[in-house]
Amino acid sequence: SAVISQKPSRDICQRGTSLTIQCQVDSQVTMMFWYRQQPGQSLTLIATANQGSEATYESGFVIDKFPISRPNLTFSTLTVSNMSPEDSSIYLCSGTVNTGELFFGEGSRLTVL
Amino acid sequence: DAKTTQPTSMDCAEGRAANLPCNHSTISGNEYVYWYRQIHSQGPQYIIHGLKNNETNEMASLIITEDRKSSTLILPHATLRDTAVYYCIVLYTGTASKLTFGTGTRLQVTL
Repeated sequence: SAVISQKPSRDICQRGTSLTIQCQVDSQVTMMFWYRQQPGQSLTLIATANQGSEATYESGFVIDKFPISRPNLTFSTLTVSNMSPEDSSIYLCSGTVNTGELFFGEGSRLTVL
Repeated sequence: DAKTTQPTSMDCAEGRAANLPCNHSTISGNEYVYWYRQIHSQGPQYIIHGLKNNETNEMASLIITEDRKSSTLILPHATLRDTAVYYCIVLYTGTASKLTFGTGTRLQVTL
């Protein structure tokens, strides 16, 4: 198994600012992903974090708004840029181990005023 | 990835078995069936996954039909702490093993 630590667990931010969320895994994972979960809804995949190269974004998500880094096999960051109230959501990172299991962090609850 | 269909909600009495169905009629031969659950305000928790054989672990059992077009997650003795949203997902665990979450089944375990 893998343990994924995410921080911050929650934050309240002002409109127009940016916030970087960090995701640290206690073991090497093959794949890492970032999801968004808006209130009362299911998870939506934002992007796949690729080690040492640009992330692969899903339809509706762009690098300028959600820049992602993954410098090594155990760490990734997601930045929510130029935030607006519509970005208020829970952001989750996940990682896949080589057995096929995918583990999630506890999420970062973001509120934009 | 194949699409899944689950009932929106289910109730189960504590101590009884909870049987959560999932239809995945368009599943392809190399796609696995995964189950996750999400307890309120927490990150999704992995439960179990399988390809075509039935699987059992300390949390649950997974029964996959012979044609693989549907499956059932079984929690043998549901407790109040099993109240959660349960997601059935099918995916190919290849180079792009990303999960696409549907709406899931909200399981309410009652006394």
